[in-house]
Amino acid sequence: GAVVSQHPSWVICKSGTSVKIECRSLDFQATTMFWYRQFPKQSLMLMATSNEGSKATYEQGVEKDKFLINHASLTLSTLTVTSAHPEDSSFYICSASPSGGSIGELFFGEGSRLTVL
Amino acid sequence: AQSVTQLDSHVSVSEGTPVLLRCNYSSSYSPSLFWYVQHPNKGLQLLLKYTSAATLVKGINGFEAEFKKSETSFHLTKPSAHMSDAAEYFCVVREYGGSQGNLIFGKGTKLSVKP
Repeated sequence: GAVVSQHPSWVICKSGTSVKIECRSLDFQATTMFWYRQFPKQSLMLMATSNEGSKATYEQGVEKDKFLINHASLTLSTLTVTSAHPEDSSFYICSASPSGGSIGELFFGEGSRLTVL
Repeated sequence: AQSVTQLDSHVSVSEGTPVLLRCNYSSSYSPSLFWYVQHPNKGLQLLLKYTSAATLVKGINGFEAEFKKSETSFHLTKPSAHMSDAAEYFCVVREYGGSQGNLIFGKGTKLSVKP
């Protein structure tokens, strides 16, 4: 099946710094990618929809200035957590769907675990 | 409003015995329903999906699920568990007409398989 890769898989940073997480579709092009957040023992929550060449669409309650999303190419979307604080510590997962793919054909990355000290 | 309830946070079975992971949903319209599996330190993998075709859906690795509208359920089953089935399982719903990424995830069921 299609492969989505996230990098880094885990990162530890100091409070106040910014962290960038990359999501790449390795063998297909994705017009749209999605970013989720997963708290411990909780389900995934959609944060935003990343659209290639245009602004991301954020879900209610997600600060767009806090979580910067850039989708500069058909194979790469980045999530930057700006001025990170301990409450931003979480597991971040991206997903992507092949352009023209069937409904529900989403492929997920392996996730990036962020720990803010 | 749509929602997903996975009735068990943890299920433990013996290898070779049947697996039943329960899921109930709430949706105003005809939903699309999915089961995903997440192995430790791995991404989510699609097991199967229901999108208004056959109510009994067969997926990968011997899993299947039956959509029962009258019971608003979409339970995941497998006749015989393997050790490799130990993982976290998520039941997911997307409402009819909803965007592709706007999935509602259940809280997950951790499946343990004893030798």
